[in-house]
Amino acid sequence: SQQGEEDPQALSIQEGENATMNCSYKTSINNLQWYRQNSGRGLVHLILIRSNEREKHSGRLRVTLDTSKKSSSLLITASRAADTASYFCATDLIQGAQKLVFGQGTRLTINP
Amino acid sequence: GAGVSQSPSNKVTEKGKDVELRCDPISGHTALYWYRQSLGQGLEFLIYFQGNSAPDKSGLPSDRFSAERTGGSVSTLTIQRTQQEDSAVYLCASSQGRAGGSPLHFGNGTRLTVT
Repeated sequence: SQQGEEDPQALSIQEGENATMNCSYKTSINNLQWYRQNSGRGLVHLILIRSNEREKHSGRLRVTLDTSKKSSSLLITASRAADTASYFCATDLIQGAQKLVFGQGTRLTINP
Repeated sequence: GAGVSQSPSNKVTEKGKDVELRCDPISGHTALYWYRQSLGQGLEFLIYFQGNSAPDKSGLPSDRFSAERTGGSVSTLTIQRTQQEDSAVYLCASSQGRAGGSPLHFGNGTRLTVT
């Protein structure tokens, strides 16, 4: 089964609104990363947050991490049509191999 | 180029044929990863290289799949006797350090269709 699960699977909002996507995971992690994927393209790294951090910002992006609940959220403020994409969280397990385990993603659609 | 390059971008093959997918990572990146993505799905880990060695091959679906990396750079993923269920986008990524602590830089993938 997947380590990370994003919620919701799909989200459709109006341009200018804020978009919040959530990620839950099962086992303890070192770090958590968020990626974006435009249709037909590879993934692009957005933010890395370490297990000892609670919040991180990058431009219009805000990521939070709650290790006690094993969950993270990605907030995109003042959304734009160009933010339309799939968003994935990826976890780096404390135990186990040197790999990122990806969730199924949230498909975000920004309506103009 | 500055990014991860994958070739071919698209590959259509007949069931039973062998295919070879290529990945050129970012220069200087020691770690290289292969993932597989089926339509509308998340990424499935296949294999990880540190330099030329593969400490983790746990994700390879069967013995029809193999991968190698030479000179700490280019990697090839080979699928023998392809099956229809092998149809997917194969993504390669590289990073400077260990996976979790460093961002992965992805190529645009190879879309494999097995007919």
